[in-house]
Amino acid sequence: SYVLTQPPSVSVAPGKTARITCGGNNIGRLGVHWYQQKPGQAPVVVINHDNNRPSGIPERFSGSNSGNTATLTISRVEAGDEADYYCQVWDSTSDHRVFGGGTKVTVL
Amino acid sequence: EVHLVQSGAEVKKPGTTVKISCRVSGYTFTDNDVHWVQQAPGKGLEWVGLVDPADGETIYTEKFQGRVTITADTSTDTAYMELSNLRSEDTAVYFCATEDSDKNDFDYWGQGTLITVSS
Repeated sequence: SYVLTQPPSVSVAPGKTARITCGGNNIGRLGVHWYQQKPGQAPVVVINHDNNRPSGIPERFSGSNSGNTATLTISRVEAGDEADYYCQVWDSTSDHRVFGGGTKVTVL
Repeated sequence: EVHLVQSGAEVKKPGTTVKISCRVSGYTFTDNDVHWVQQAPGKGLEWVGLVDPADGETIYTEKFQGRVTITADTSTDTAYMELSNLRSEDTAVYFCATEDSDKNDFDYWGQGTLITVSS
């Protein structure tokens, strides 16, 4: 089955840029979605199809995807961005959906 | 406005069966697949499976194959997840979510249902 690998944690100072990676075999050929989850809440999609921001998501959130790595970038990080972030793809080979292990973003 | 409202928390004994629900509103139920996602305490998200309400077709991940049944009732716009032969490691919050038919992301989520398996 398809595996997505994320770093367990990323720390960033307010106002700086956070980059969260999501590794997978030829992930650049797949559409990657990113979700933000705060404690006790359901996940919220912040980026879909690699780099598309749904309505209501700040422009500070952006995404890229190439080769074996997809990246979620959060610019000008704010305290409210502290959360767990998950990447997700549709594995067309199995028709299964797959999540990465998640990355905890801590704002220093 | 789209809403997914899930049933309340459950406490079950090992070996028994639980069935939780997800009632949707705000869109045509048969237009989008409904998925279930598991989140064990302190752990990440894990995809369980899906149902296509239009024809009842289901897909399950191997981890739950044989123990999970996902169904959809188009008369009440409600999806269900039944998990049998419960084990302590099934203790988790289970979310339902709809998948956008164009972008294939999970655009709307339920509030989650906690299932606790304990003797």
